[in-house]
Parts: sequence; C-alpha cells; structure tokens
Amino acid sequence: QKEVEQNSGPLSVPEGAIASLNCTYSDRGSQSFFWYRQYSGKSPELIMFIYSNGDKEDGRFTAQLNKASQYVSLLIRDSQPSDSATYLCAVKIESSGDKLTFGTGTRLAVRP
Amino acid sequence: EAGVTQFPSHSVIEKGQTVTLRCDPISGHDNLYWYRRVMGKEIKFLLHFVKESKQDESGMPNNRFLAERTGGTYSTLKVQPAELEDSGVYFCASSQDRVATAYFGPGTRLTVT
Repeated sequence: QKEVEQNSGPLSVPEGAIASLNCTYSDRGSQSFFWYRQYSGKSPELIMFIYSNGDKEDGRFTAQLNKASQYVSLLIRDSQPSDSATYLCAVKIESSGDKLTFGTGTRLAVRP
Repeated sequence: EAGVTQFPSHSVIEKGQTVTLRCDPISGHDNLYWYRRVMGKEIKFLLHFVKESKQDESGMPNNRFLAERTGGTYSTLKVQPAELEDSGVYFCASSQDRVATAYFGPGTRLTVT
C-alpha cells in the first residue's frame, strides 16, 4: 500500500464548476497535510496546508481533513482553465523527520 | 527576491558517466532538501541539509549519489556512475525553518541513455 494515494486522473470539469480532488494516507502518524499545484515543467507550488480536522478555506480553495478516515481533499470552486495542472497531495509524518511524502498527483483539466 | 534555482534544467548523459546537479536556495534559507521524481512515480525525498550538515539522508538510493552543501549555501548532487534508473526530475527545495514552508525549484530533468 502506498503511503499517499491519489487518483491520477485526468479529472475533467467544466469552467465554473467545483473540482474535488481526493487523497488518502496510510500512516496515522501523519500530522500535516499539504496540497501543491504543479504546472507542466514547473516547480510544485504550495496552495494550502491543513493540520486539524475539518475545513480550511482560502479564496476559491477549501482543504478538508478527516483523520479518522485518513482522508484529505481539496475543493476548487469556480474552476478556471488556468487551474488546469497536476495537484499533489503531501503529508508530513512527525516521526519521520522534516520531510514530505507525496502522492503521484491528480491531473485536473478545466474545460472552457 | 530570487527563488530556488537549479542548474542545469536538463541533462542527457550516457550510462556510466558522471553528472553533477546544482541547487541555489533562497538566500538565508538554512534548510535545503533534495527530492526526485522518476517517470510515473511520486516525488520522493532524498535528503535534507541544515546549513552544511546532512540532517537526514535516509532517502538516498545508494552510494552512487553524493550530496554536498558548501558553506551552507548552494548544494550539489553528484551521480557517479549514472544508471538508467536514475533518470527523472530532481527537485531542490529550501526553507527558513521547516519543510512546511519550503519553496521548490524548477527541477533538473536527468536522462540517462
């Protein structure tokens, strides 16, 4: 079992819709959760992080964390074509030092 | 403020050759991380420097990989001799305090033929 799992996609949504990206993790010692956006050939860029159960909103982005279900998601409201990218879920496991464990990423395509 | 820079952006070498990748972190960032993404796989941690010291090198795949960070500034990652499975994109990231606030560089795409 992979430590961080994501559906590779592509996830295709129409412009203006809500895109829902999901991520599950296996290590219950995971304490910090991150969503990165990566455009093709570019560096991963941090969108949001979340530490506590529940929702965290930042503009059009909402991260949701459910530690009991070992599940973290990212919602993108009013999706724009410029949101088309690969979204990487990453976790920090406290017992494993100061490093991130990534999923393989979900490719999002927003149709104009 | 300049971001994390990596050089070269792309390197193509033959199996058995040596390649050195360079990372220049954001000025003042004591923490420097190397990650690697091989085709179709997730980005994986290689190692973590705090200033010039290796804090964690648990992700280094084998002794063909040597990382250094001269004077706590830029870092190099040498692969010697390179093997086909070393092909991938090598990312560097830096942060002032911890990985949660790290900025990633654009990566070096390494192709071993």
